[in-house]
Amino acid sequence: KAGVTQTPRYLIKTRGQQVTLSCSPISGHRSVSWYQQTPGQGLQFLFEYFSETQRNKGNFPGRFSGRQFSNSRSEMNVSTLELGDSALYLCASSLGEEQPQHFGDGTRLSIL
Amino acid sequence: QKEVEQNSGPLSVPEGAIASLNCTYSDRGSQSFFWYRQYSGKSPELIMSIYSNGDKEDGRFTAQLNKASQYVSLLIRDSQPSDSATYLCAVDEGRRALTFGSGTRLQVQP
Repeated sequence: KAGVTQTPRYLIKTRGQQVTLSCSPISGHRSVSWYQQTPGQGLQFLFEYFSETQRNKGNFPGRFSGRQFSNSRSEMNVSTLELGDSALYLCASSLGEEQPQHFGDGTRLSIL
Repeated sequence: QKEVEQNSGPLSVPEGAIASLNCTYSDRGSQSFFWYRQYSGKSPELIMSIYSNGDKEDGRFTAQLNKASQYVSLLIRDSQPSDSATYLCAVDEGRRALTFGSGTRLQVQP
């Protein structure tokens, strides 16, 4: 069974640009969550989608947004990139409430 | 602010010993608890999940939960050098939002 797939693996952008990251969950998983991991702040929750609806959002500015498609694939978008957005962005999928979340390999975003 | 606290380590144990990793959490309403292992440069990998008070064993790993004390622990028996990694404690605050501790770095000395 294929795991969570995230693309691209690495991305380099400059300040002010925008970026879109993609996540394909494990087959059958309808919940997709996104996290940001930095050395200073650790792993922080961004948002969660289930059946194309955002059900929960973490404490991040509106520049961070996402969506989920009918096949459960999800995208995350960050607009007007800042240096502080440099991080590992992780997607996780699960079967549903209180079920374990399984992470993809992540997208490492570097802002120059 | 919901918090999950872990000792950052490093926790150094000799090969074959028991490694004990601890975690406390602030939200009494939390119901689901997870341990993830993260190797340097890699993504977190689920090791254990625990939902009820008591112990849960899976191979060399045992998770322990005490909701009254708001305490979760992970024991690794017969520690191997390949167990050297950062171990992340995660608490499900509801609606699929995991709150992570900062992680404990474990070093298993051959």
